[in-house]
Amino acid sequence: KNQVEQSPQSLIILEGKNCTLQCNYTVSPFSNLRWYKQDTGRGPVSLTIMTFSENTKSNGRYTATLDADTKQSSLHITASQLSDSASYICVVSQPTTSGTYKYIFGTGTRLKVLA
Amino acid sequence: GAGVSQTPSNKVTEKGKYVELRCDPISGHTALYWYRQSLGQGPEFLIYFQGTGAADDSGLPNDRFFAVRPEGSVSTLKIQRTERGDSAVYLCASSLGGQKEEQFFGPGTRLTVL
Repeated sequence: KNQVEQSPQSLIILEGKNCTLQCNYTVSPFSNLRWYKQDTGRGPVSLTIMTFSENTKSNGRYTATLDADTKQSSLHITASQLSDSASYICVVSQPTTSGTYKYIFGTGTRLKVLA
Repeated sequence: GAGVSQTPSNKVTEKGKYVELRCDPISGHTALYWYRQSLGQGPEFLIYFQGTGAADDSGLPNDRFFAVRPEGSVSTLKIQRTERGDSAVYLCASSLGGQKEEQFFGPGTRLTVL
C-alpha cells in the first residue's frame, strides 16, 4: 500500500469548471507536503509547499489545503483552463534518522480539461 | 542555462548494455536528485547528492545502478547490464541548498531497454 494515495486516478472536466484533487498519506513523521504539476513529457513543476502548521496555500488559481491531523490534503483548481491538463502529484517529505529527507510521491491524478 | 537539462532526451538500448544518463543542474544548486518514473506512476527516489557526495543512495535498486557528481555540478547516472525492467523516464532535479528547498526538475531521459 502506497504511503501517499491520490484520488481520483483521472478526471475530465469542462473548461471553466472547478475541481478538487485529493491526497491522503500515512507518512510519519512528516515534514512538508508539496503539490506538483507534470505536463506530458516534462518534469514536475512545484505548485505549493506546506509544512504541518499550514492549513492552506494559494498559487494563482491553485489552492492547496492540509489537515495534518487527518493526514489529508487537497488541491483545488478554480476556473480551469485547457493548459491545466496535466498530472498532479502529491509529495510528502519524511525526515530520516540520518538527517536527510525522503520524498514519497503519490501516483498522481491525470486531469483533462475539455473545451 | 536557465533550468535543469538532461541528455539524451531518449535512449534506446539492448538488454545487457551499459548506459549513461547526464544531468546538468541549475548553476549554483548544491543539491541534486535522481528519480525514476514508470508509466502512470509518480517518481521514485534513487539518489541525492549534496555537493560531490551522495548523501542518500538508499533508492538505488541494486548494484547495477551507480551515480557520480565529481565536481559538484554535472551528474551522471550509470546503469550496467540493463534489463527490460529498467525502462522508465529518469528524472533529475536540483535545489539551491538543502533538501527543504524547492526542487527544480529536468525534462527527463526516456530509457527503453529492448
